[in-house]
Amino acid sequence: EPEVTQTPSHQVTQMGQEVILRCVPISNHLYFYWYRQILGQKVEFLVSFYNNEISEKSEIFDDQFSVERPDGSNFTLKIRSTKLEDSAMYFCASRATTGTGNTIYFGEGSWLTVV
Amino acid sequence: AQSVTQLGSHVSVSEGALVLLRCNYSSSVPPYLFWYVQYPNQGLQLLLKYTSAATLVKGINGFEAEFKKSETSFHLTKPSAHMSDAAEYFCAVSDAGTASKLTFGTGTRLQVTL
Repeated sequence: EPEVTQTPSHQVTQMGQEVILRCVPISNHLYFYWYRQILGQKVEFLVSFYNNEISEKSEIFDDQFSVERPDGSNFTLKIRSTKLEDSAMYFCASRATTGTGNTIYFGEGSWLTVV
Repeated sequence: AQSVTQLGSHVSVSEGALVLLRCNYSSSVPPYLFWYVQYPNQGLQLLLKYTSAATLVKGINGFEAEFKKSETSFHLTKPSAHMSDAAEYFCAVSDAGTASKLTFGTGTRLQVTL
């Protein structure tokens, strides 16, 4: 079964450093998402991306965050200057446009620890 | 704006007992509703979804959920719990019009005891 893949699975970074989290969505999916889950809390929406632009973003997704689809397969989340409170599990997800279009498929997550 | 409320952050059942995880939604339009499961140190896996077809939805691993518009509920059930069902369960709602982002509940941790 096709799946969303994410790298790295775990990253530790110094506060103030830039981090790039990478995702390969399911091929032929055209809607992409990033969510995050701070330890012990609920899963929160960050941003959605369609047709090479952000379609919606949450209040969490401020200027330190950016997303990019640099080629036909990857979808990245960049955090420019990490803060302690950015420590969380980050989930990439994708959705097809038709058929099972209402189902969002999630990756295994990238666990980011900011120290 | 759509939202979901999960009653009970932690539910404990005996192996073989009925599992009932509660979810109530708030939506101004007919919603799409989902249940996801998160096993320890893993990602989110879709259990089942409601998309305005049958109100009783069957999912994987013997789980099912019933959409009740009059009660604005979408409770998750399983007749007989298994040890392998121990996980965190999240109810989520998506707007039916755009079917875009999901809004998650706070999650319910299911513990299964012998």
